Amino acid sequence: ETGVTQTPRHLVMGMTNKKSLKCEQHLGHNAMYWYKQSAKKPLELMFVYNFKEQTENNSVPSRFSPECPNSSHLFLHLHTLQPEDSALYLCASSQGLVRVSEQYFGPGTRLTVT
Amino acid sequence: GEDVEQSLFLSVREGDSSVINCTYTDSSSTYLYWYKQEPGAGLQLLTYIFSNMDMKQDQRLTVLLNKKDKHLSLRIADTQTGDSAIYFCAEGSGTYKYIFGTGTRLKVLA
Repeated sequence: ETGVTQTPRHLVMGMTNKKSLKCEQHLGHNAMYWYKQSAKKPLELMFVYNFKEQTENNSVPSRFSPECPNSSHLFLHLHTLQPEDSALYLCASSQGLVRVSEQYFGPGTRLTVT
Repeated sequence: GEDVEQSLFLSVREGDSSVINCTYTDSSSTYLYWYKQEPGAGLQLLTYIFSNMDMKQDQRLTVLLNKKDKHLSLRIADTQTGDSAIYFCAEGSGTYKYIFGTGTRLKVLA
């Protein structure tokens, strides 16, 4: 248990559906991240938020829409996804962006787009 | 661009040592990390090494860094079935940005 929870753990959605992934951290951190982990590919950083402000959008398609209402919660809103978007989506949090500190990862949401 | 490469699979017998290798390209990396991912779980930081170090030991884990060849290895002594997981190498420059490898799936045979 890392202090970072993600729901749902598994999600199957059609290409026309709209769904949201949720991440919550109980560590008092101020930075939160979304990563995409596809099979046989390196982990890809998608979005970074620091004190609720987005500081990084790593050229992510607009069908992925993040939301960070406060430092403890992070959402990823999904709409009109493609089958190649099927992956494990990991959320992480850390204390600060600049100094090196370990990022605490949640267990991930396994997304399947049909 | 920067790249981190790892072999995809490694199989060892319980009790043997495992050595997982990684090569990276960014010579400006100041930190190199090893993460472990167990089935159904997120990434867990195992250890990291500063680029000015050659070796770091932490209980059963030994990290070796050859900066000249940009080669990093993770040795797990007395490998146990609980060590079966995917191991990711990552490099960073001290900020939140990391470059991860594709991961090495370690299978420990009883």
